[in-house]
Amino acid sequence: AQSVTQLDSQVPVFEEAPVELRCNYSSSVSVYLFWYVQYPNQGLQLLLKYLSGSTLVKGINGFEAEFNKSQTSFHLRKPSVHISDTAEYFCAVSKTGANNLFFGTGTRLTVIP
Amino acid sequence: DVKVTQSSRYLVKRTGEKVFLECVQDMDHENMFWYRQDPGLGLRLIYFSYDVKMKEKGDIPEGYSVSREKKERFSLILESASTNQTSMYLCASRTGTGMTDTQYFGPGTRLTVL
Repeated sequence: AQSVTQLDSQVPVFEEAPVELRCNYSSSVSVYLFWYVQYPNQGLQLLLKYLSGSTLVKGINGFEAEFNKSQTSFHLRKPSVHISDTAEYFCAVSKTGANNLFFGTGTRLTVIP
Repeated sequence: DVKVTQSSRYLVKRTGEKVFLECVQDMDHENMFWYRQDPGLGLRLIYFSYDVKMKEKGDIPEGYSVSREKKERFSLILESASTNQTSMYLCASRTGTGMTDTQYFGPGTRLTVL
């Protein structure tokens, strides 16, 4: 069975500073990996996904993530955050060929002016 | 743009009431999902449907049922609401038969059971 661990429940960071949100997964088979963002009072929106190929994936709003198979990680990064990046971020995993996603518990990113 | 709408943003019900949460998508997606979101627990899958009248249990189906009579509509039913079902409920839809396609989420329904 898949599981997803987001190591930090809350991450405060100053505006224009870099940020890394950590995600580790466990699975004995090949997986697809996703990062979703939830802005206040909204549903989830896809930031980026890794399916295959290049391990560095670029998403919307300047975010990127790197798939590391040996460390079973898929950390999300942004070199310079903006106030508008304040949101909750969810990492998710799906086994290839499966029909549903398994979500982590979320990381609340707060950007401080 | 894909649009997933949920019938209510906020709902307050009493213990024992029958509750219907409605979700509609406008992109002819085959797959639809119901999650509940709780602080510190992330999103947990309640039920999903891969076709009209077809459904499968997710991780936490107890106390819930679903209905999918039309492709665009997926309903979540709480037969007898309890206080531990107070939560945010999120609907999602996705096309295709594999996970390469994106799940699109509705804005959520915050349900309070008193």
